[in-house]
Amino acid sequence: DSGVTQTPKHLITATGQRVTLRCSPRSGDLSVYWYQQSLDQGLQFLIQYYNGEERAKGNILERFSAQQFPDLHSELNLSSLELGDSALYFCASSAWGGDYGYTFGSGTRLTVV
Amino acid sequence: AQKITQTQPGMFVQEKEAVTLDCTYDTSDQSYGLFWYKQPSSGEMIFLIYQGSYDEQNATEGRYSLNFQKARKSANLVISASQLGDSAMYFCAMSAQGGKLIFGQGTELSVKP
Repeated sequence: DSGVTQTPKHLITATGQRVTLRCSPRSGDLSVYWYQQSLDQGLQFLIQYYNGEERAKGNILERFSAQQFPDLHSELNLSSLELGDSALYFCASSAWGGDYGYTFGSGTRLTVV
Repeated sequence: AQKITQTQPGMFVQEKEAVTLDCTYDTSDQSYGLFWYKQPSSGEMIFLIYQGSYDEQNATEGRYSLNFQKARKSANLVISASQLGDSAMYFCAMSAQGGKLIFGQGTELSVKP
C-alpha cells in the first residue's frame, strides 16, 4: 500500500456521461498530481494542486476539471466522455513539489463504451 | 523541450542475470531529477530509484542502480540478479518545471526462468 488511495479502481461508463475520480494523498503530503495513461499517449501529466490551489496544468482537456479540498483529497471530473478517454488515471502525491518524485496511487481504470 | 527517450520497447533477460534498460533525456535545466518506476501487470506505479543532476555518485537501491552519465544525458537502469518478479514495464522519468514528471514510453522487461 503506497498510502495514496484512489477510488474507484474500475469504472465503466457510456459515452457522453460524467464521472468523478477520487484521490486521497499520503498523510502529510500537500501536493496532488493527476496523470492519464493511455496506449497511444503514454503517461501524460494533467494537473497539479498544492494545498488546495492549482499549481500547474498539463495536457488537460476542457471537458476535464479537478479540485483539491480542504482535507487535501482531490477529485478529477471527466465530462462528455468519449471513447478516447478510456485510460488508466493515476493520482500521485508529494510533500511539496515533485522535484524528488512522488508516490502514485494504484489508479482508476476508466472504460468508456 | 524536455524529453525522455527509451529506445527499447521490449527486452528479455535470463533469471539471475543482470540487465540494463536505456534512458536518454533532453533538458536545458541545470537542476533536475531522474527517476525509474516499475509498472507490473497489475497497473500500479512503483518508485525504484532517484538520481539528482548534481549527485556525483550513481544512485543505488538494493538490486537497482542508476548509471548516470551527465555529459551523454543518459540515465540507464541496471537490475542485477534478475528475478521472475522483475517482469514488468519500466519507465524512466525526469522532473520538469512545476513539479511534473515527464515520462518515457517505457520498456517491457520479461525475465525468463
